Amino acid sequence: AQTVTQSQPEMSVQEAETVTLSCTYDTSESNYYLFWYKQPPSRQMILVIRQEAYKQQNATENRFSVNFQKAAKSFSLKISDSQLGDTAMYFCAFMKGTYKYIFGTGTRLKVLA
Amino acid sequence: EAQVTQNPRYLITVTGKKLTVTCSQNMNHEYMSWYRQDPGLGLRQIYYSMNVEVTDKGDVPEGYKVSRKEKRNFPLILESPSPNQTSLYFCASSHSLYSNQPQHFGDGTRLSIL
Repeated sequence: AQTVTQSQPEMSVQEAETVTLSCTYDTSESNYYLFWYKQPPSRQMILVIRQEAYKQQNATENRFSVNFQKAAKSFSLKISDSQLGDTAMYFCAFMKGTYKYIFGTGTRLKVLA
Repeated sequence: EAQVTQNPRYLITVTGKKLTVTCSQNMNHEYMSWYRQDPGLGLRQIYYSMNVEVTDKGDVPEGYKVSRKEKRNFPLILESPSPNQTSLYFCASSHSLYSNQPQHFGDGTRLSIL
């Protein structure tokens, strides 16, 4: 069975600095999809970034980028130039083609002024 | 405006009293899904649906029922709610044509079973 592990329950970062959130997963599949979702205090779930496993190039969305290491089954999220609005719970998620999603337990990120 | 609408947003009820949480999307998405979010456990998938009349179990389906009679609606039914179903529930939808399509989430339903 697939599992997703986020080993950092809480993290904090100073405004304008860079922070990396870790995510590891376990699967025997070769083709799958990975996502990072953000949940601010408003509790909305917002897609941050996504990565297809067959793509070697790491995905980037503005200040957000991933370090995808397929062999190591690692999918970390880097947030550059952190902003107060980045304060949220971040969830890593795994999905294979059958649309069954597995989420990690989340990392609560606090950006400090 | 493209959205996933859940109702109610909050509900406090008692053990054993049947309830339905509605979910509707206006994006003509084929795929819809229900999750529950509990502290320390993240989001866990309850049921999902690939299209009308096609549903399948997620990781925690016990105690829940779903139906997909229309493409836009995917209600979650608790026939006999129990306190361990107290949770924050999310409905989500996406196109199923491409597997990397992101899910659009509703605003959540906070459910308390006394």
